[in-house]
Parts: sequence; structure tokens; C-alpha cells
Amino acid sequence: EAEVAQSPRYKITEKSQAVAFWCDPISGHATLYWYRQILGQGPELLVQFQDESVVDDSQLPKDRFSAERLKGVDSTLKIQPAELGDSAMYLCASSLRPTPGEKLFFGSGTQLSVL
Amino acid sequence: AQSVAQPEDQVNVAEGNPLTVKCTYSVSGNPYLFWYVQYPNRGLQFLLKYITGDNLVKGSYGFEAEFNKSQTSFHLKKPSALVSDSALYFCAVRDIGTGFQKLVFGTGTRLLVSP
Repeated sequence: EAEVAQSPRYKITEKSQAVAFWCDPISGHATLYWYRQILGQGPELLVQFQDESVVDDSQLPKDRFSAERLKGVDSTLKIQPAELGDSAMYLCASSLRPTPGEKLFFGSGTQLSVL
Repeated sequence: AQSVAQPEDQVNVAEGNPLTVKCTYSVSGNPYLFWYVQYPNRGLQFLLKYITGDNLVKGSYGFEAEFNKSQTSFHLKKPSALVSDSALYFCAVRDIGTGFQKLVFGTGTRLLVSP
């Protein structure tokens, strides 16, 4: 079964450094999501793409976070500079269509630790 | 804004017994409701969804959920629990009454099935 690919699996960095996460959605999925999951909480949407366009980035801390999906396929999420509070699991998900009833397919995530 | 509450941090059940994981929601319009499961060090996996129609929804791995509009609940159930069902379960809701249908997750319930 096709999967959403994410890398790296783990990332340890020091505060004020830059980090980047990569996501490759399931082939043909037009909608891509980045979620942040803090330990003990549910995933929170950071940004949603429809093809290469941002549909929702209302919860993305834009002073330090950026996301792009240049060719409407894979995507990169960047944090610069990283802060201690950014330690979390960063999950990428994709869906075939942006319709409300569509199920999401999640990758295994990138576990970020900021020291 | 839509929200989801999972009142139990953890549910303990013996193998072979029925299980229930509770979820209540709040929306301004009509809800689309989902259950996802997360195994250790993995992303979330879709279990089932309610969009419209029958209030009892059947999903993967023998799970089912009952939509109750008057109680604004969508509890997850299984008639006979397996040890392999032990995982973190998330309820999620989309409010289709608003312009943009962001998927909002609850904080999760850890299910522990003992042999």
C-alpha cells in the first residue's frame, strides 16, 4: 500500500539553529497537510496545501516557520530559528481531494528535539 | 470554532471484553466525524468516519462508532478487545457549516488491553 514518506525520522538540534523536514505524499494526492503533535496532545494543523497553493496557514508561526510545495508534489517545512517550545512530532498527511469527508493518510512523522 | 473532547486519558479493558472510547464534539453546523488510531512511533491511521446516513458506522479492525446528535457524541466501540488494539485513539471533527473545513483533533485516549 502506498505511504506518505517523511524524513528525517528524528532530528536533534540546538535552539536558534535552522531545521527542515521533507514530505512526499501518496502519488496523485492533491492535498497536503503539515500537523504538529505536542506530547500528550492531538495533532494541530500548521498548513494545508491544495496542489502548490496554501489553503490555510492560520496556525503557522510565520515569523519562524515556512512551508513550500513548489511543484505541487513533495513539500518542505522549515523552522528558523528553532526554539525549545518547537520540540514535537511533525506529521505530514495527504488526501486525494480537499473534500470534507476525505480521509487523511499520515506519514510516520519527524520527531524534533530542540536542546 | 469546532472542538472535540475525549474525556478519558486512558481506558483499560481485558482482552475479550467490549471496549468504548468516548468522544463528544461541538460545531456550529453539521459535523463530519472521524476516528484515527496511532501506534507507537507511527503516524495516524484512519479507522472510520461519519458523514451522513446510518448512525452506526463500521470501520477497520472490527471497530464501530455510534453518532448521537442529541448528545453530540461519537463513541468508538468494539465488541471484543484484542491486545493488539492497544494504541492511542483520536477523535476528529470537521464543521461543514463554516467556510473552511479544518479537521480538529481531540487530545487522544490511550487504550490498554490486558491479556
